[in-house]
Amino acid sequence: AQRVTQPEKLLSVFKGAPVELKCNYSYSGSPELFWYVQYSRQRLQLLLRHISRESIKGFTADLNKGETSFHLKKPFAQEEDSAMYYCALTSGGSNYKLTFGKGTLLTVNP
Amino acid sequence: GAGVSQTPSNKVTEKGKYVELRCDPISGHTALYWYRQSLGQGPEFLIYFQGTGAADDSGLPNDRFFAVRPEGSVSTLKIQRTERGDSAVYLCASSFGANQPQHFGDGTRLSIL
Repeated sequence: AQRVTQPEKLLSVFKGAPVELKCNYSYSGSPELFWYVQYSRQRLQLLLRHISRESIKGFTADLNKGETSFHLKKPFAQEEDSAMYYCALTSGGSNYKLTFGKGTLLTVNP
Repeated sequence: GAGVSQTPSNKVTEKGKYVELRCDPISGHTALYWYRQSLGQGPEFLIYFQGTGAADDSGLPNDRFFAVRPEGSVSTLKIQRTERGDSAVYLCASSFGANQPQHFGDGTRLSIL
C-alpha cells in the first residue's frame, strides 16, 4: 500500500533562515509527488508537482527515488510562508487518487 | 468564476440523522473527487467521478456513504444514520481530467453530536 510520511508535525524557523520540510513515501511503482499548502483561513492549494520541476514562491522539491523522499526546501523563509504543508502522491495506474501525509505546520517567526 | 464551491460550510446534526453535502465544481472540470479530513490527519480519498459515473468509490468507508453526480457537474455526498466518528471536514476537488491538478473547495465541517 502507498504511504506518505511527514515526520515533523511542527516546524518553526526565523525569517531569512533556510527551511526544509521532510517527506518520505512508500510505493512500489513510479508515483507522482506533490506539495499542497493551506494558508490560514484559505483552501488547500497545489504548491508544486515534481514533474513540473518548477520553483514556486521560492520553494523547490527534488524527487529522490533512492531515498524515496521529496523534501520541500526554501533558502530564505518569509513570514508569509507560515502555513500547513501536505506532501501527497498519486500512483501510476490510479493517478487521480491523492494519498496525503499528515502535514507539517510551518511557522516563520519575525 | 470562483473555484470549487461547497455547501454548507458547517453542518451540525445529531447521531442517527441523514446529511447531504453539496459540491459545485469549476466549470468545465469533468473529474470530481471527495476526500475526508479528520482532525490531525491529511485528507483521505473517498470517491472519484469522471462525468456522471463513479469511476472509483473504493474510499467510501461503508454503505452508509453514497455520492451522486447526475448531470456531470454538481455532486452530492450523502451520509445515512450518521455516527460521531463521521465528524470531519469533507473536501471536494475537481480537475480537467484524471491526471490534472486538483482544485479544492473550502470543505464542509460536519459535526455529529
